[in-house]
Amino acid sequence: QQQVKQSPQSLIVQKGGISIINCAYENTAFDYFPWYQQFPGKGPALLIAIRPDVSEKKEGRFTISFNKSAKQFSLHIMDSQPGDSATYFCAASKRANKLIFGTGTLLAVQP
Amino acid sequence: EAGVAQSPRYKIIEKRQSVAFWCNPISGHATLYWYQQILGQGPKLLIQFQNNGVVDDSQLPKDRFSAERLKGVDSTLKIQPAKLEDSAVYLCASSQWTVDEQYFGPGTRLTVT
Repeated sequence: QQQVKQSPQSLIVQKGGISIINCAYENTAFDYFPWYQQFPGKGPALLIAIRPDVSEKKEGRFTISFNKSAKQFSLHIMDSQPGDSATYFCAASKRANKLIFGTGTLLAVQP
Repeated sequence: EAGVAQSPRYKIIEKRQSVAFWCNPISGHATLYWYQQILGQGPKLLIQFQNNGVVDDSQLPKDRFSAERLKGVDSTLKIQPAKLEDSAVYLCASSQWTVDEQYFGPGTRLTVT
């Protein structure tokens, strides 16, 4: 119940295309769902986050879609750029307790 | 604002040796976290401090791992003795109060041979 399942493991997108990464969870007590971006040799950095009281949150080219009934949430990167090439992690937590991370998606945006 | 500082950045040791990692969180951040990130996996929380106190150490292998946070600021994570499966990146993160906004350091890459 503590797991967060992330897919795909890797993703190749053409420049200007849409990148979509999906996550699923089991624990309905989770109330905070962030996405982190990690470049090689760096620590993860918070990209965007959502709480279950909304179904979508958009910040620039990054959008989180949240489906509470399906217990799924996804990250959409519009107009993907080579600079977006990184590993993306979804995560979840309940009541400000520890973050449970997904296994990561390696995104490569081809020029 | 200065970020989370960690040292060393890389460490290579032989199995059964000991090793220590250091973390300096963002100034004013009360909560400090140590994560283990094995290659190809997401970070896994080892221990969480709130000021000087331990909030969660349920996934810390206490027979070989120890951590302390001196005066509610800097923290050290120690492994003694190290095993091959401890090869990973050890990430330190801090947040002002809640788990929501965590800021990560660059990590220490440990290789155990």
